[in-house]
Amino acid sequence: DVKVTQSSRYLVKRTGEKVFLECVQDMDHENMFWYRQDPGLGLRLIYFSYDVKMKEKGDIPEGYSVSREKKERFSLILESASTNQTSMYLCASQHGREKLFFGSGTQLSVL
Amino acid sequence: AQTVTQSQPEMSVQEAETVTLSCTYDTSESDYYLFWYKQPPSRQMILVIRQEAYKQQNATENRFSVNFQKAAKSFSLKISDSQLGDAAMYFCAYSFHFGNEKLTFGTGTRLTIIP
Repeated sequence: DVKVTQSSRYLVKRTGEKVFLECVQDMDHENMFWYRQDPGLGLRLIYFSYDVKMKEKGDIPEGYSVSREKKERFSLILESASTNQTSMYLCASQHGREKLFFGSGTQLSVL
Repeated sequence: AQTVTQSQPEMSVQEAETVTLSCTYDTSESDYYLFWYKQPPSRQMILVIRQEAYKQQNATENRFSVNFQKAAKSFSLKISDSQLGDAAMYFCAYSFHFGNEKLTFGTGTRLTIIP
């Protein structure tokens, strides 16, 4: 089965730090996504990528950037972490019109 | 903009009974896709069922079925013969483009199974 691996399950950072969240998939999927999940708000799309070096903004891109230098890896970057970015971050990958495969999430706390 | 509303933050059901989770959505599109995802305590989202709006027949997957009412913009999930492993957060989601699925999610319903 497809495996989507997020580098950290829990992460604690200080405000102002630069934070990297890594996501790796092992099935050569062209599409990859970053969502954030907050209680009472559901999941919201931050960025997605449909090919190497290609990216598009989702619904809430402010304060985030992404990098996709290799097909299997999609990184989410918080340039200067703030407390309102404390959240669960979920990565997903997809091939063509097939279903999305999600990672297990990174719970990020910004203090 | 599309919106997805789940009005039941929490639901509970006795094991082996049937439960229905509600979802409504708003869109001006005529062709779109609807999904139910399950998020167990492991946090990994799993696709439960998918419905194409152009199909009148309701989708079914084993014990899971949907009641899709396009005119009412309603998309409920019915779980029959509930099992302990069904305990999870359930999210309803909408997508206009299938393939490159930019999903719009609802706020979720936490389902508890009572033994």
